[in-house]
Amino acid sequence: DQQVKQNSPSLSVQEGRISILNCDYTNSMFDYFLWYKKYPAEGPTFLISISSIKDKNEDGRFTVFLNKSAKHLSLHIVPSQPGDSAVYFCAASSEGGADGLTFGKGTHLIIQP
Amino acid sequence: DARVTQTPRHKVTEMGQEVTMRCQPILGHNTVFWYRQTMMQGLELLAYFRNRAPLDDSGMPKDRFSAEMPDATLATLKIQPSEPRDSAVYFCASGLEIGVSSYGYTFGSGTRLTVV
Repeated sequence: DQQVKQNSPSLSVQEGRISILNCDYTNSMFDYFLWYKKYPAEGPTFLISISSIKDKNEDGRFTVFLNKSAKHLSLHIVPSQPGDSAVYFCAASSEGGADGLTFGKGTHLIIQP
Repeated sequence: DARVTQTPRHKVTEMGQEVTMRCQPILGHNTVFWYRQTMMQGLELLAYFRNRAPLDDSGMPKDRFSAEMPDATLATLKIQPSEPRDSAVYFCASGLEIGVSSYGYTFGSGTRLTVV
């Protein structure tokens, strides 16, 4: 049973517009959430994270929102750039990240020129 | 830039053969994870170590997989005997014990294993 779900396998967005990637989770014990970005033939690269004590975290063009009551988080990228084209993984942990991560299956973001 | 080094990058082997994958974590990191990525299951946690001690290997098929950390600079994942269903990309990741830190783990580039 998937505890972390990314229901959109792919997403196409025009350059300069906002990209919104969504993630849902089922385990109430998760208290730490991360987004990773992955290019082909490379390992996932850490992008941004959020603790369950917050509902928003921002880093430059990237913002993660957490809605604990809905067990939902989203990643906003504004403005989207061609280099943002990659697979984005949502991940969650129940011990602040110290016990390993449970990953979603990823969303392939394609930025159209 | 500090990086996690995995070898080999690619491995093709015949069913029944032993496969060993190696990982050199970032110096100073005390936690090492092994993940496997397949099309069907996505990224799955296989095992992890903290300060070289195995903490959890519940994600690994016990009968054929083994993970060790002989010293702080080397982690190994061994499959014996290998089967076609083991074909996947195996990632190693390292980090400090995170607690409520805002930093994630650093992943290696992976070992793409094909068992024929």
